[in-house]
Amino acid sequence: AQKVTQAQTEISVVEKEDVTLDCVYETRDTTYYLFWYKQPPSGELVFLIRRNSFDEQNEISGRYSWNFQKSTSSFNFTITASQVVDSAVYFCALSEASSGGSYIPTFGRGTSLIVHP
Amino acid sequence: DTGVSQDPRHKITKRGQNVTFRCDPISEHNRLYWYRQTLGQGPEFLTYFQNEAQLEKSRLLSDRFSAERPKGSFSTLEIQRTEQGDSAMYLCASSSDVIFTNEQFFGPGTRLTVL
Repeated sequence: AQKVTQAQTEISVVEKEDVTLDCVYETRDTTYYLFWYKQPPSGELVFLIRRNSFDEQNEISGRYSWNFQKSTSSFNFTITASQVVDSAVYFCALSEASSGGSYIPTFGRGTSLIVHP
Repeated sequence: DTGVSQDPRHKITKRGQNVTFRCDPISEHNRLYWYRQTLGQGPEFLTYFQNEAQLEKSRLLSDRFSAERPKGSFSTLEIQRTEQGDSAMYLCASSSDVIFTNEQFFGPGTRLTVL
């Protein structure tokens, strides 16, 4: 069965600090997909990134970067020079290709990031 | 079409009443998902439609819950005889299997409070 662990419940930083959100996953599939979503106080989950299990290349998008390491089953998310607008709950999720085509993701419990001015 | 919409955004009801929520997915998306999210938790899968067919249901979906997607467009989620434990945010998401990117796009959710 698939499982996602986000061990950090809450992280508090001061603006301009770098912060890394950890995500560890478990799956028996060789083909799977990993996601990060952002949930601001308004409540709507916003898609940030998708990676498939065959692509371990790290990705950078502006101040956001993602480090995917199959050897440690981790898909960590780093925000560089954090801003107050980054304050939100961030969810890591995993979906398996063996799920019969439904690709229903399992979400972690989320990490609440608070960025203080 | 700017995204997934849900109605109502908030619903307060008394225990024992029935409630119905609506979700309008992104128009070209043929897949639609319902999730429930409680405080401090990630979204938990409830049910999934491909077009009008309900293909999968979670064991979380008790017999008091029913979902429909009659024409493969909007969907409704009904909860009968609500209980206080049903209080949660109900999220709808849609995706496309034609453009295979696999990510789901979420609506703003319906927050249900059962008194």
